[in-house]
Amino acid sequence: NAGVTQTPKFQVLKTGQSMTLQCAQDMNHEYMSWYRQDPGMGLRLIHYSVGAGITDQGEVPNGYNVSRSTTEDFPLRLLSAAPSQTSVYFCASSYSWTSYTEAFFGQGTRLTVV
Amino acid sequence: DQQVKQNSPSLSVQEGRISILNCDYTNSMFDYFLWYKKYPAEGPTFLISISSIKDKNEDGRFTVFLNKSAKHLSLHIVPSQPGDSAVYFCAADAGGGADGLTFGKGTHLIIQP
Repeated sequence: NAGVTQTPKFQVLKTGQSMTLQCAQDMNHEYMSWYRQDPGMGLRLIHYSVGAGITDQGEVPNGYNVSRSTTEDFPLRLLSAAPSQTSVYFCASSYSWTSYTEAFFGQGTRLTVV
Repeated sequence: DQQVKQNSPSLSVQEGRISILNCDYTNSMFDYFLWYKKYPAEGPTFLISISSIKDKNEDGRFTVFLNKSAKHLSLHIVPSQPGDSAVYFCAADAGGGADGLTFGKGTHLIIQP
């Protein structure tokens, strides 16, 4: 049982480049989300999805796009990378968004923008 | 404005003793609280949670206490073990909606042998 899988684990980008962070879950979870963690700060919500075809913005959505074409996958796209997007990114999934359930996290993607 | 505060960036405890990690919140709409544990280069893993209708929840060596009037919760680990050394995040949920969890900045717990 793989849980939540993120790829890549590490990435270095040049300013202005674009890339997609991949996230897949095999638990048939309804709810998926992306967080970023910066030094000295807690995790902050970027975007979330309550099901295939439905996405919405979180606390810090600027510079990021998401889509959810299947239940399993929830990729995060950086349109034009900026040094301020240097961070560790975590994808998470939960069984439901309408009731309290724990979130399962991937191992994270450490992104550096130079 | 931080809605979930963990005011101790780090905490050092001797092996076998009790570890107490604290968390304060400001948003009265929070009604579900979770603790996550995170090792370096790994994602956070769920540890224990508590609903606002309770004041205590216990799971093995881990107990979470909630004081709603003080908007304060704490995680007790007894006895502390070397494998407990990690960063612990307090998180809160308001109404079980879709807008995710609000996290504190984390406390780095170090268990001394």
